[in-house]
Formats: sequence, structure tokens, C-alpha cells
Amino acid sequence: AQSVSQHNHHVILSEAASLELGCNYSYGGTVNLFWYVQYPGQHLQLLLKYFSGDPLVKGIKGFEAEFIKSKFSFNLRKPSVQWSDTAEYFCAVNNNAGNMLTFGGGTRLMVKP
Amino acid sequence: DGGITQSPKYLFRKEGQNVTLSCEQNLNHDAMYWYRQDPGQGLRLIYYSQIVNDFQKGDIAEGYSVSREKKESFPLTVTSAQKNPTAFYLCASSISVSQHYEQYFGPGTRLTVT
Repeated sequence: AQSVSQHNHHVILSEAASLELGCNYSYGGTVNLFWYVQYPGQHLQLLLKYFSGDPLVKGIKGFEAEFIKSKFSFNLRKPSVQWSDTAEYFCAVNNNAGNMLTFGGGTRLMVKP
Repeated sequence: DGGITQSPKYLFRKEGQNVTLSCEQNLNHDAMYWYRQDPGQGLRLIYYSQIVNDFQKGDIAEGYSVSREKKESFPLTVTSAQKNPTAFYLCASSISVSQHYEQYFGPGTRLTVT
């Protein structure tokens, strides 16, 4: 069975700091990778996704993620965070068996103004 | 306005009672899903449905039941057999169960059982 690990459970940053959230998965075959964000009181929404092609994926709100197949990783990055980025971030993976997403445990990001 | 609605937002029940959570979508999506969210554990799949009148168990289906009588609706019943029902429940939908379609999520229902 596949699994997804997010090693940072809580991250606190000041505005303008750079962000990198780790995501590692265990499945050895072809995967599709997602980052979702849950702002306080709002729906879970898609930040970005990787299906194939360029391993550096650009998403909304200045976020990007890089798929490194050899490291089974899909880390999320943002060069300069804002207070409005305070949220919980989830990495998710599915494989060729279908659209059953396996989620990581989530990372709570707090950005101090 | 297209989207997924879940009602109610907050639900309180006494232990031993069954409770049904509503999920409706007007996105014309074929596939629908139920997840449970617990702190530090991310989201875990309870049940999913690819088409009307068909559904499959996810990773943590014990103590839950679903129905899919209409394309738009996928209600989840939390039965008294579910040992730890207090959680945040999220419904999602996608165009199909094909892995190339992203899932869209509803606002969730927070269930508290005492």
C-alpha cells in the first residue's frame, strides 16, 4: 500500500521568509501528485498538481513544487510567504489504479505578520 | 454557482445513535468520495462511488454506510458501530475515477458524538 509522509507537522515563519514543505511517498510505480491547502474556515482546495512532463510545477498564489522521482519527493516551495498563507497544507498521491488519493498527515503553517 | 454542499456544518449526537451526513454536488461529476479528517492524520478514504447505484469501501469503511441513488447525492451514515465517530468529514467529487482528474471538496461537516 502506498503511503505519504509530511515530516513537518507545524511550521512557523515570519512574512517574507522562504517556505519549503517536505512530502515523500512510498509507491514505486507511476504516480500523480497533488498539494491541497485548507485555509481557516474554508474548503480544501487544489494548489497544484503533477501528472507528467516538467517536474517543476507552478501553482496558484506563487507556490511551486518539484517532483524528484529518485527521491520519491514532491516538496512544496514559495520564495516569500505572506500572512495570508497561514493554512494547513496536504500532500496527496494517486497511482494508476485509479483516483484514490492517499494523503499525508498535513502541515500547519503559521505566518507571523 | 457550481460546487459541493455538505450539511449541516456542525452536528452533535449521542453515542449509540446513527447519523446521516449530506453531500450534494451540481458539478455533474460521476465520482464521489467520503473522507474523514483527524488532526495529524490527514484525510482517510471511507467510501467512494464511481457511478450511480455503485460504491466501494475505502481504507476505513467499518462503522459507516453510504448510498448513491442519484448522481448528485452521496449521503454518509455514521452508525453506532463506528468506535470513534467524532471527526471532520469531507465529501469530494471528480469527473471520473480516472487518476487524471482532480478532486473537488465540500466545506465539511464536523461531527461530535458524546
